[in-house]
Amino acid sequence: GAVVSQHPSRVICKSGTSVKIECRSLDFQATTMFWYRQFPKQSLMLMATSNEGSKATYEQGVEKDKFLINHASLTLSTLTVTSAHPEDSSFYICSARDIAGNYGYTFGSGTRLTVV
Amino acid sequence: SQQGEEDPQALSIQEGENATMNCSYKTSINNLQWYRQNSGRGLVHLILIRSNEREKHSGRLRVTLDTSKKSSSLLITASRAADTASYFCATGTGANSKLTFGKGITLSVRP
Repeated sequence: GAVVSQHPSRVICKSGTSVKIECRSLDFQATTMFWYRQFPKQSLMLMATSNEGSKATYEQGVEKDKFLINHASLTLSTLTVTSAHPEDSSFYICSARDIAGNYGYTFGSGTRLTVV
Repeated sequence: SQQGEEDPQALSIQEGENATMNCSYKTSINNLQWYRQNSGRGLVHLILIRSNEREKHSGRLRVTLDTSKKSSSLLITASRAADTASYFCATGTGANSKLTFGKGITLSVRP
């Protein structure tokens, strides 16, 4: 079945530094990937839609200069949290859908980011 | 904004019982999906139902969709302790559109 690999699963960084999170579709190609943020005991909030070969589409209220998204190939999208602050601490999840598929989206296992 | 609203927000049942979770939404949809999330993990796709479908089965799962009422239900039959997780409904407006998630339901199945 479709598998999405997300790395790292956990990361702790200092305030002001940048963190890159990778999302890879392992056995399928995805022209579109999605990045979500989830606070404890809350739902997933879509941050942006990552489009292969073009700019990402950000949701209202999400700072594109702070959350840099790159989708350089059909199997890899990256989210870089720049100049991280403690309030950026959260659970980040990516998802992708097989361009040839007719089923649900496949999600990565998530990245727990803690900014200290 | 949240599209889906699940109820109840928390459900606790005994192993072997059935669990019914409901989801309502506000706008027109192309499909509705249910996902499961174990604590601190990613989401696992359970089932997708299209707007022209009314009912779908997958193992112990049964999903219904009533587009006139803009609601869906997820039934888990013969629940197991391993079904303990959070369950989310999500709506899509197109075949490859972004998903909008509901707030989620926390299901606890007591052994």
